[in-house]
Amino acid sequence: DADVTQTPRNRITKTGKRIMLECSQTKGHDRMYWYRQDPGLGLRLIYYSFDVKDINKGEISDGYSVSRQAQAKFSLSLESAIPNQTALYFCATSDQKGRRSTDTQYFGPGTRLTVL
Amino acid sequence: AQKITQTQPGMFVQEKEAVTLDCTYDTSDPSYGLFWYKQPSSGEMIFLIYQGSYDQQNATEGRYSLNFQKARKSANLVISASQLGDSAMYFCAMREGGEDSSYKLIFGSGTRLLVRP
Repeated sequence: DADVTQTPRNRITKTGKRIMLECSQTKGHDRMYWYRQDPGLGLRLIYYSFDVKDINKGEISDGYSVSRQAQAKFSLSLESAIPNQTALYFCATSDQKGRRSTDTQYFGPGTRLTVL
Repeated sequence: AQKITQTQPGMFVQEKEAVTLDCTYDTSDPSYGLFWYKQPSSGEMIFLIYQGSYDQQNATEGRYSLNFQKARKSANLVISASQLGDSAMYFCAMREGGEDSSYKLIFGSGTRLLVRP
């Protein structure tokens, strides 16, 4: 089974709809992240969380909100979806435990979201 | 200014040959980490290799190695003995700050590699 799972994998929705993307991990990592990728570009950070009580905005958080329901679950919401939020969304996790930790981020399979 | 620069939008390599994908970075932080990820056409992001700024030796992971030239601020990925399955988009990324406090990966725009049979 995959260590980082995302649901749904694909979603088509209409402008103005509220959408939730979910991420679950079995890696036991404390840190979780949400990124978006636009065609031909690298990833940009939306939100990140270092533990259940810690939520932080990334570089492009406008129009998004998140919830860290448990150590293993981190969901991303689009309160009122708009077409320029059409993108590939990735969840990632990392582990900062230990002096020699590299804090490498491991990514889920991605959710392809289309807003019409 | 761009923090991570990948100057090769696309590259070809013959199967079984080696290929180097370029990455230069810009930071004034003495402590940072450099990562390479592979994104095949299926879309997932696969971690390949990591190099810390204080690491004395170049990182290696199987057929992947990182040619780290700190003074030049370059972190090129070398893939030896290319395979057809290596055809994918490759992203270089940097994390600034010490390992106790850093959080954000800054990605380059990627290089699309096509391995020819």
